[in-house]
Amino acid sequence: DVKVTQSSRYLVKRTGEKVFLECVQDMDHENMFWYRQDPGLGLRLIYFSYDVKMKEKGDIPEGYSVSREKKERFSLILESASTNQTSMYLCACGGWAEAFFGQGTRLTVV
Amino acid sequence: GQNIDQPTEMTATEGAIVQINCTYQTSGFNGLFWYQQHAGEAPTFLSYNVLDGLEEKGRFSSFLSRSKGYSYLLLKELQMKDSASYLCAVRDTARYGQNFVFGPGTRLSVLP
Repeated sequence: DVKVTQSSRYLVKRTGEKVFLECVQDMDHENMFWYRQDPGLGLRLIYFSYDVKMKEKGDIPEGYSVSREKKERFSLILESASTNQTSMYLCACGGWAEAFFGQGTRLTVV
Repeated sequence: GQNIDQPTEMTATEGAIVQINCTYQTSGFNGLFWYQQHAGEAPTFLSYNVLDGLEEKGRFSSFLSRSKGYSYLLLKELQMKDSASYLCAVRDTARYGQNFVFGPGTRLSVLP
């Protein structure tokens, strides 16, 4: 089974802090994605990557950046956390047929 | 997910059949997916349709009509554990290559 591991299940950060969310997959998938999930809005794509050092903006990239230095690792960075970035963050990887999700990180910015 | 529509909530009784509809608009359709998500957990893959017709997998079936931009997920012999959100997702190659675009999800409550 594909395993996608996110570094934290729950995280509380202060406004203005720089926040790193890490995601590691144990399969050889080129594609990796970061979503945020909010009630009533569903999953919205923040950034995705098709290969090492490659990144593309999704629907809501503002306030975020990403890093993909190794194929198995895709990091989401909040440069200066704000309260409106309080959300559930989901990492996924996938090939042609389906996406595999990590367990999610519930981030609260206070 | 602004191009994908699903009902927000549905309620059904244990043992019954429920159909969850999904309509979508895309320029480069290349597959429709259904995911199940229990509260506080990650979405898990249920089904994948790329051609018109019905795909059956145990108690769950998924239907696709590409000309109508329409899909449904059919759940038979409902069980309490089927209470979850069901997410419709489309691969739209005209937008983001192999990216999945998700609908808002349908929260299903199964009552005894």
